[in-house]
This record gives sequence, structure tokens and C-alpha cells, in this order.
Amino acid sequence: QKEVEQNSRPLSVPEGAIASLNCTYSDRGSQSFFWYRQYSGKSPELIMSIYSNGDKEDGRFTAQLNKASQYVSLLIRDSQPSDSATYLCAVRGNSGYALNFGKGTSLLVTP
Amino acid sequence: DAGVIQSPRHEVTEMGQEVTLRCKPISGHNSLFWYRQTMMRGLELLIYFNNNVPIDDSGMPEDRFSAKMPNASFSTLKIQPSEPRDSAVYFCASSDGGRGGELFFGEGSRLTVL
Repeated sequence: QKEVEQNSRPLSVPEGAIASLNCTYSDRGSQSFFWYRQYSGKSPELIMSIYSNGDKEDGRFTAQLNKASQYVSLLIRDSQPSDSATYLCAVRGNSGYALNFGKGTSLLVTP
Repeated sequence: DAGVIQSPRHEVTEMGQEVTLRCKPISGHNSLFWYRQTMMRGLELLIYFNNNVPIDDSGMPEDRFSAKMPNASFSTLKIQPSEPRDSAVYFCASSDGGRGGELFFGEGSRLTVL
């Protein structure tokens, strides 16, 4: 069973702080990694993708990948109340095109 | 360009009834995915198609579930007979099929089986 694990405990940060979201995966052959954001009652939308070890920055978002540790993270700088949502980590394995999703971490940014 | 279109957005039905969910993928995308989302289990892959051919249906819960993709612009997910435990949000997503290709999700069909 190919697992994608995220911290199920909700994360609360004050406005302007850095939010750090983490994800681990079990399939060592995984090649593609994604972070999706899902607002309550809405569909998931892609915010970051990363394919090689290291950091990838896009505006206030930074994705970090460490394939040796099978670990992916998402940092959100200068967190805003509008960032309050559930963040889903998704992994594409070495075979097939489907994404395997974690259960998500709920982020609350308080004013 | 239109995104992934799903219908119905909401469906309330009684146990034992047949339910059909519909999806139109983004034009030009050759991979289509059906996911189910519940609070307990998160987003689960049910089945996916590549070039209209089912590739992996190992996530389909049981024989009550079936999915078809008769052409590149249309897919259905059918539940017959429906049960209360099928209540969930069903998402359709499509991608261009590349290894790095992201999935684009429709707005989902919220199913309630009474």
C-alpha cells in the first residue's frame, strides 16, 4: 500500500507568520510531488509542484523535497487569513499517472 | 477555456436507487480520474482512464460501482444500487497525461444516500 502521510492535527498560526506543512511518502520510486489547497466546500487546486530534490519558490510559497528521507514540505511565508484552508500533499509514483493524496492538514491563520 | 465540468453538483437519493455522475474533462486532456472524498478516508482514487481506456480500477469499492468513458469528452460513474455509505463528494479530474502533469479537478458531485 503506497501511503502519503500528513499531520492530521490542525495548524494555527498568526497572520504574518510562517506556516510549515509536512508530508512523508512510502513509495521510494515516486517522481512527482504536488501541494493542493482546498477551501471548505470547494475542489482541490494546485499551488505547487516539485520534481527534484531541493527548494522551489513561488511567491510566498516554498516547496521542499528530500527524496532520501521521502519527505516533502510546504512553507507559506507572511501567512494571510485567506490562506486558511486544508492543504493536501499528493504524490505520483513510478508507474501510472494517478496521484495518491494525503488526508490533508487544516491551516488556520488568525488575524 | 472551460475547466472540468461535473454534474449533478448535488444528488440526494434513497438507498437502492441508481446514481449516475457525469464528467466532461478539459479539452485535449487524455487522462481522466474519478476520486471520492470523505472526512474519514480523505481523497481516494476510484478509477482512472488514459485515452478512454480504464488503466487502474483497483480503487472501485465493489461491483456496485462502474465507470465508463465512451469518448474523450465524457465519462460516467454509476452506483447501482446505492447505499448510505456511498455518501461522499465525488470528484472528476483530468490531466494531459505527462509524468509531471497536474490534475485539474471539477467542482465535485456531493452525493447523499438516505
